[in-house]
Amino acid sequence: QKEVEQNSGPLSVPEGAIASLNCTYSDRGSQSFFWYRQYSGKSPELIMFIYSNGDKEDGRFTAQLNKASQYVSLLIRDSQPSDSATYLCAVASSGGSYIPTFGRGTSLIVHP
Amino acid sequence: SAVISQKPSRDICQRGTSLTIQCQVDSQVTMMFWYRQQPGQSLTLIATANQGSEATYESGFVIDKFPISRPNLTFSTLTVSNMSPEDSSIYLCSVNPGGSLSYGYTFGSGTRLTVV
Repeated sequence: QKEVEQNSGPLSVPEGAIASLNCTYSDRGSQSFFWYRQYSGKSPELIMFIYSNGDKEDGRFTAQLNKASQYVSLLIRDSQPSDSATYLCAVASSGGSYIPTFGRGTSLIVHP
Repeated sequence: SAVISQKPSRDICQRGTSLTIQCQVDSQVTMMFWYRQQPGQSLTLIATANQGSEATYESGFVIDKFPISRPNLTFSTLTVSNMSPEDSSIYLCSVNPGGSLSYGYTFGSGTRLTVV
């Protein structure tokens, strides 16, 4: 059973701070990693994709992957109230035909 | 990225009845995926729909309960049959546009189903 674990939160940070969201996964053969943002009542939207160890930056978002520790994280710099949402971690592998397995998500609240 | 039109957006249904959810994609895709998202839970894959063949169901989901059609490369339906209150959930279709993981998976807007 492939598992993707996230702290459900809520994670509350002040506006302008760095929000750090974490995800661990059980399948050591996992190769592709996604972070999705889901606003309340909306469908998930992709914000980051990473497949190599290390950091990947896109604007205010940085994904960090450590395959040895089976750990992927998402940093949001200069957090804004509009970043308040649930962030879903998803993991895929060739063994699963690259169909992602999702975590339960972490609720992020950015307060002014 | 692909644009997916999913309908209905929400429905309230009587137990014992069936509801068919439709997803239309603006481009041809090999596989379409159907997920369920229960409150506070992760997205759970129900089945993968391929054009021209039977859908592949995940453990815990069966064709009699969730029949799927995939008549062409841009359209699919999921039926929730003989509904009970436990089927109350959000149902989402998804595709991987262009077949590249770097584009991720795009989701429809979801169908919020309440069974009473």
